[in-house]
Amino acid sequence: GENVEQHPSTLSVQEGDSAVIKCTYSDSASNYFPWYKQELGKGPQLIIDIRSNVGEKKDQRIAVTLNKTAKHFSLHITETQPEDSAVYFCAASEGNNRLAFGKGNQVVVIP
Amino acid sequence: DAGVIQSPRHEVTEMGQEVTLRCKPISGHNSLFWYRQTMMRGLELLIYFNNNVPIDDSGMPEDRFSAKMPNASFSTLKIQPSEPRDSAVYFCASSFFGGRTLTDTQYFGPGTRLTVL
Repeated sequence: GENVEQHPSTLSVQEGDSAVIKCTYSDSASNYFPWYKQELGKGPQLIIDIRSNVGEKKDQRIAVTLNKTAKHFSLHITETQPEDSAVYFCAASEGNNRLAFGKGNQVVVIP
Repeated sequence: DAGVIQSPRHEVTEMGQEVTLRCKPISGHNSLFWYRQTMMRGLELLIYFNNNVPIDDSGMPEDRFSAKMPNASFSTLKIQPSEPRDSAVYFCASSFFGGRTLTDTQYFGPGTRLTVL
C-alpha cells in the first residue's frame, strides 16, 4: 500500500516567518494529495488539496506544491500567525477512495 | 450545511463494557470511514463503507470491533468488550465517491474521545 512520510515532525517558527512541511509518498499511482489541519480537541480539517495534473495551488497564505517525479509534495504557509499553530497531516490517495495519512507535523508559531 | 456529526463526544467506561460510537455523515455523501487516532500510531483507518456496504475492514484490530451502516445517514462502531488499550480518539469521515479513479475529499467529524478504565 501507499506509504506517506512527513518531515520535520516538529517545526517552530517566529510569527511572520514562513513554514514549509514536506511529505513523500511511495505509490506513483497516487493522484490526490490533501493537507489537513488539526487543532487541539478537534477533528482534522481540510485546508488545501492538489491533484496530480497540477504542480502548485495557492489559497491566500497557504500553498501546496507537487513534484510527481520525486514523489513529494509540500505545504507552504507564509506570514505565519499564532492561529496557525496546530498539527498538520498530509495524505495521498490509495485508490478506491482511500487516503494514506502521514504521522503529522506539530507547527508552533512563536509570537 | 451540517458537517459530519459524531456522538458522544466523550465516553468513559470500564473495561469489559460495551461501547457504541455513532456517526452521521454529510448528506449526499456515499462513503464513510472510521479512523482511530493515538499518539503512537497516528491516524489508522479501521473500516470504510461505500454505499452502505463495508469495503475493507482489514484495519479493525480484533473481533471485539464491529461496524454497521444500516442506511446512508447513520453508522455505528461498536467495541465489545472494551479494553484499556482501546482508549483513543475515534473519528468518522465521509466523502462522495463517484466511482471514478479520482479520490474525493474526506470531511472529518469532531471525534469521540474514548477512555476505558
